[in-house]
Amino acid sequence: DQQVKQNSPSLSVQEGRISILNCDYTNSMFDYFLWYKKYPAEGPTFLISISSIKDKNEDGRFTVFLNKSAKHLSLHIVPSQPGDSAVYFCAGLGSGAGSYQLTFGKGTKLSVIP
Amino acid sequence: DAGITQSPRHKVTETGTPVTLRCHQTENHRYMYWYRQDPGHGLRLIHYSYGVKDTDKGEVSDGYSVSRSKTEDFLLTLESATSSQTSVYFCAISGAGELFFGEGSRLTVL
Repeated sequence: DQQVKQNSPSLSVQEGRISILNCDYTNSMFDYFLWYKKYPAEGPTFLISISSIKDKNEDGRFTVFLNKSAKHLSLHIVPSQPGDSAVYFCAGLGSGAGSYQLTFGKGTKLSVIP
Repeated sequence: DAGITQSPRHKVTETGTPVTLRCHQTENHRYMYWYRQDPGHGLRLIHYSYGVKDTDKGEVSDGYSVSRSKTEDFLLTLESATSSQTSVYFCAISGAGELFFGEGSRLTVL
C-alpha cells in the first residue's frame, strides 16, 4: 500500500524549459512534504519542502506546489539545467510514536537534454 | 554537510553469512534511520532509532536487526544474509524533520 506515489518513472526535458515532477499521496496525516535529489553513487540530498498548511514554497529555480484537496504535489524547476539530471524523490513526513519518519515515493529520473 | 559515515561502503558476501553495517554520526542527532534503495521501490525504511537503546521497525524490517548503544552509532545487522537483501543501504540522521543521508553501503549477497 503506497502512501506516496510518483507515477512517472522518468522525464526528459530540454535545457531551459520547465520540468514538472508530480507526486500523489494517500496519507492525510503527513505534516510536511519534502523533495530529495539523488545522483548516482551518492546519498539523497534535501532539495525543498512544504508544510501541509501551505500551498506553495519557492527557493530559487525550485517551486513546490501542494493541492491538499487533490492530495497532490508537484515540483517545478525553471529553467532546467543539465546538472538537474538526477532521480527526484518525493516524501511525506509524519510524526508518530515519538519519531519523525519519511515515507518516500519510488522516484522520478529527470534527464535534462542540452 | 552532515557528518555521517557509513562502513563498509561496499561488501560482497555469501548467502547465510552475518553482515553488519555501521553508521556513525558526529552531529549528536537524536534520530537515526536505515533505508534500503532498490530499483522500482525507491527508498524504504528498515529500522529507525529515536535514542540510545530506543529502536523501532520500519516498513521492511524482516531479516534485519539494529542496535544503538551510543548516540553516534547505529548498527544494522543481517543475521543470515539472503540474495533478496542485495541492495544499497542508506543511513540517515535527523534533528527535527529534514533527513540527512550518508553516502550509502552497497551490499551484494551471492
